[in-house]
Amino acid sequence: KAGVTQTPRYLIKTRGQQVTLSCSPISGHRSVSWYQQTPGQGLQFLFEYFSETQRNKGNFPGRFSGRQFSNSRSEMNVSTLELGDSALYLCASSLEGRFYEQYFGPGTRLTVT
Amino acid sequence: KQEVTQIPAALSVPEGENLVLNCSFTDSAIYNLQWFRQDPGKGLTSLLLIQSSQREQTSGRLNASLDKSSGRSTLYIAASQPGDSATYLCAVRGETSGSRLTFGEGTQLTVNP
Repeated sequence: KAGVTQTPRYLIKTRGQQVTLSCSPISGHRSVSWYQQTPGQGLQFLFEYFSETQRNKGNFPGRFSGRQFSNSRSEMNVSTLELGDSALYLCASSLEGRFYEQYFGPGTRLTVT
Repeated sequence: KQEVTQIPAALSVPEGENLVLNCSFTDSAIYNLQWFRQDPGKGLTSLLLIQSSQREQTSGRLNASLDKSSGRSTLYIAASQPGDSATYLCAVRGETSGSRLTFGEGTQLTVNP
């Protein structure tokens, strides 16, 4: 079974631009979560989607948004990029239910110049 | 607010040693705790998932224990190998946080040949 895939793997953007990252969960997984990882803040939760609905949201500004499609694939968008948005963005998927393990993708490395 | 702490932040050992990584969390109202491994610049690989009702889980040379009431977990690695070198992260899933995982800062492990 294929794992969680994320595209693109690497991205370089300029301040003020916007970016869209994509995540395809493991087949059969309907819950998708996004995390930001930086050296200073560690891993921080962005949001979670299930059945095309945002179920949970972390403490990030409105510039960060996401969505989920009917096939469970998810995208996150960051508008008006800032230098501090440079990070590794990780996507995780799981089966529905509190007892299930979460599986992470390889991440998208975003560099904002 | 849940806080997760991992000690030590870094650890360097000779090959063959048995070692213990520690994780503590402030809110004992958790569903489960998950240990991950992260290689430099890569995504997270799930190692072990312990449900709140369990005391320990084992996979190969890895054994993780959980003491929910005291807010502690340990990851025991037997007969360490250079290939075990990575950052080890623990994460908890709270009873009121949906799929959100709260991560510790990680322990960076180096196993020297």
